[in-house]
Amino acid sequence: AQSVAQPEDQVNVAEGNPLTVKCTYSVSGNPYLFWYVQYPNRGLQFLLKYITGDNLVKGSYGFEAEFNKSQTSFHLKKPSALVSDSALYFCAVRDPNSGNTPLVFGKGTRLSVIA
Amino acid sequence: KAGVTQTPRYLIKTRGQQVTLSCSPISGHRSVSWYQQTPGQGLQFLFEYFSETQRNKGNFPGRFSGRQFSNSRSEMNVSTLELGDSALYLCASSGDTLLNYGYTFGSGTRLTVV
Repeated sequence: AQSVAQPEDQVNVAEGNPLTVKCTYSVSGNPYLFWYVQYPNRGLQFLLKYITGDNLVKGSYGFEAEFNKSQTSFHLKKPSALVSDSALYFCAVRDPNSGNTPLVFGKGTRLSVIA
Repeated sequence: KAGVTQTPRYLIKTRGQQVTLSCSPISGHRSVSWYQQTPGQGLQFLFEYFSETQRNKGNFPGRFSGRQFSNSRSEMNVSTLELGDSALYLCASSGDTLLNYGYTFGSGTRLTVV
């Protein structure tokens, strides 16, 4: 079975500092990995994905994530945080070898960027 | 291209009542998935419909049901509402493959059961 864990419920960072939101996954094969962001009273918005290829993937709004197979991690990063980055972030995984199974989401990490 | 449209945006219902939520996917998308979002549990998968057939089902009681129409619009129904059903219900559509953007989500329907 596939699963994903976001070990931090809340991450606080000062504006201008680098940020990291952690995600680890468990699948039987090579995963498809996604990051989404949710602003208040909105649905989830796609940020970036890893399917195959370069371990460092770049996405929207200056975010990037690094796929680390040995550590089964896919941490979301940004070099310089903005107050407007404050939101709820979700990591999701899918095992492409498991047929048409749905995306499995982590419980989310609330990012708070302080001016 | 229009996004995923969910109606209504907000609902207040009384325990024991039933409710129907609607989702119109992106044009051309045949897969519609439903998730329940609560603060403590994150996103919990309800079910997925593809070409009018339920393709996947999560671990929810039979009070939760859904269907998909020939135009890919989907509805979910919750009968005999309980206080614990209060949540944000999210609909997501995708094309035949998840490889592009995964899911595209609607803004959700916030259901409050009193």
